[in-house]
Amino acid sequence: KQEVTQIPAALSVPEGENLVLNCSFTDSAIYNLQWFRQDPGKGLTSLLLIQSSQREQTSGRLNASLDKSSGRSTLYIAASQPGDSATYLCAVRGSGGGADGLTFGKGTHLIIQP
Amino acid sequence: NAGVTQTPKFRILKIGQSMTLQCTQDMNHNYMYWYRQDPGMGLKLIYYSVGAGITDKGEVPNGYNVSRSTTEDFPLRLELAAPSQTSVYFCASSLRDHTGELFFGEGSRLTVL
Repeated sequence: KQEVTQIPAALSVPEGENLVLNCSFTDSAIYNLQWFRQDPGKGLTSLLLIQSSQREQTSGRLNASLDKSSGRSTLYIAASQPGDSATYLCAVRGSGGGADGLTFGKGTHLIIQP
Repeated sequence: NAGVTQTPKFRILKIGQSMTLQCTQDMNHNYMYWYRQDPGMGLKLIYYSVGAGITDKGEVPNGYNVSRSTTEDFPLRLELAAPSQTSVYFCASSLRDHTGELFFGEGSRLTVL
């Protein structure tokens, strides 16, 4: 059964810093990996989707990488801003997941200090 | 496009009452999902649908029912509400399974007292 772990569970950094969020998974037979952002009391907003054949995806200040063989993905946030404060979730989709193939991590709660 | 729309956003139920959470998407997605999110527990799949007229159970289906009469709508019905169903419910959709990007609604916060 697929397991997804996100480290750290919480992170607080000053504005302007570059930072990396980590996501690891136990079963490398995946179809894709998706990073989400969740603001308090809100739904999940898709940030980046990486297919299993891809190594990375970029959107603005965000860059996500995928290393299937080592079961790891990172989300890099450049020049962090207070508006980046949120919980970041990664979700892995593969044959080791549930009926929908998905396994979610529990998230990293990020606070950017002004 | 509105994306995935859920109603209501908040609801308080008494034990034993029933209600329906509505979910509509305007992206012509075939796949739709219902999840519940509990603090510290992550998201758990309740039911999903791969197209109109087809539904199937997820990880935690007990106490819930769904229907999919159209591509756009995927309501979740709670029968005989119990305190254990206090949670935040999310509806999601994707164009394709496995390789498709997931889009979520804003969530419905349900409290059963």
